[in-house]
Amino acid sequence: DSGVTQTPKHLITATGQRVTLRCSPRSGDLSVYWYQQSLDQGLQFLIQYYNGEERAKGNILERFSAQQFPDLHSELNLSSLELGDSALYFCASSVEGAGGRIGYTFGSGTRLTVV
Amino acid sequence: EDQVTQSPEALRLQEGESSSLNCSYTVSGLRGLFWYRQDPGKGPEFLFTLYSAGEEKEKERLKATLTKKESFLHITAPKPEDSATYLCAVQSDSGYSTLTFGKGTMLLVSP
Repeated sequence: DSGVTQTPKHLITATGQRVTLRCSPRSGDLSVYWYQQSLDQGLQFLIQYYNGEERAKGNILERFSAQQFPDLHSELNLSSLELGDSALYFCASSVEGAGGRIGYTFGSGTRLTVV
Repeated sequence: EDQVTQSPEALRLQEGESSSLNCSYTVSGLRGLFWYRQDPGKGPEFLFTLYSAGEEKEKERLKATLTKKESFLHITAPKPEDSATYLCAVQSDSGYSTLTFGKGTMLLVSP
């Protein structure tokens, strides 16, 4: 157990629907990162939050949004889902927000299947 | 834009047959290079961080090295339990702490 908790582990939904993925970071970590992993693209950075505020944005679609709550858990919202959104979504956390030199601790991921 | 290229994409070894995985990177300024191991259906698991050229780190049968343009993950006398995908990532010193990952090398060690 890495200490980063993601729910649900699996999600199957239809095209056009909206889903919410949840992440609880490791105790003491202030930064949360969301990554998407597909077979052909590898791990793609989506967005980072640090202590409740958006810190960095990567290749995140406009249909996707995220937030980090006062208790530091984070949610990734995916809407108007398309078949191509099927992927593994990982959350990672770290104690730092900027200027750091340490890596992340990853959760076990949510496997999203859009049918 | 930071870029990471890993080779080979896949590697099959016999138990005990040593080899190396390559990670080539382009980054404006390197803050750190990271190696992760990922088992199927699971999240990446941290292995090493390297900060400067010439640095080496070891853990059991794994040894990571770093130059100014690439990193190698040497696997000595691998065992079947070393089978996994190995991911390389870089962290630039020009922004925040986000990591840019390569697509990984899938390693299969046969008994």
